[in-house]
Amino acid sequence: GAVVSQHPSWVICKSGTSVKIECRSLDFQATTMFWYRQFPKQSLMLMATSNEGSKATYEQGVEKDKFLINHASLTLSTLTVTSAHPEDSSFYICSAPRTESSYNEQFFGPGTRLTVL
Amino acid sequence: ILNVEQSPQSLHVQEGDSTNFTCSFPSSNFYALHWYRWETAKSPEALFVMTLNGDEKKKGRISATLNTKEGYSYLYIKGSQPEDSATYLCASGAQGSWGKLQFGAGTQVVVTP
Repeated sequence: GAVVSQHPSWVICKSGTSVKIECRSLDFQATTMFWYRQFPKQSLMLMATSNEGSKATYEQGVEKDKFLINHASLTLSTLTVTSAHPEDSSFYICSAPRTESSYNEQFFGPGTRLTVL
Repeated sequence: ILNVEQSPQSLHVQEGDSTNFTCSFPSSNFYALHWYRWETAKSPEALFVMTLNGDEKKKGRISATLNTKEGYSYLYIKGSQPEDSATYLCASGAQGSWGKLQFGAGTQVVVTP
């Protein structure tokens, strides 16, 4: 099956710094990727849709200036958490849909655990 | 139902026993229901995508049913094995929202030998 990688798998940073998370589709091209966030005991919540060659679309309540998304190529999307604060500590996971599927099947990365001190 | 809800949140199963758990989802504007299996430190793995009311799908010892009119799906594990231990996620896709899925919080299954 298709593979999506994510890097880093975990990161600890100081409050006020920025953190970049990469999501790569390894064996297929993805014009669209999705970024989710999961807080403990809660469901995956869609943050934004990353679109290759155009601006990302953000879900309601997600600050686009805080969570910068760049989809520079057909295999790479990056999420940058700018000026991170402890409340941004969470699990971030990306996915890419199988373009040949009409049922929104998605391949997920393994996720990134962000801890902001 | 406005959100996707899964119950129970967790369950412990003895090896060899069968078990099942539920996913409830908004029935209006329904398009597809997904089940994923998620092991710790790994990527969620797609199990099933279901679209038709009354649909049943099977993969080895795992099967799922779908009721789109009342908005629920069951996942069954027959003869549970320790390797079935994982969190099982369901996600609902609505018509007109290509690619966007609404996830439940998951059911964590622990199978003990």
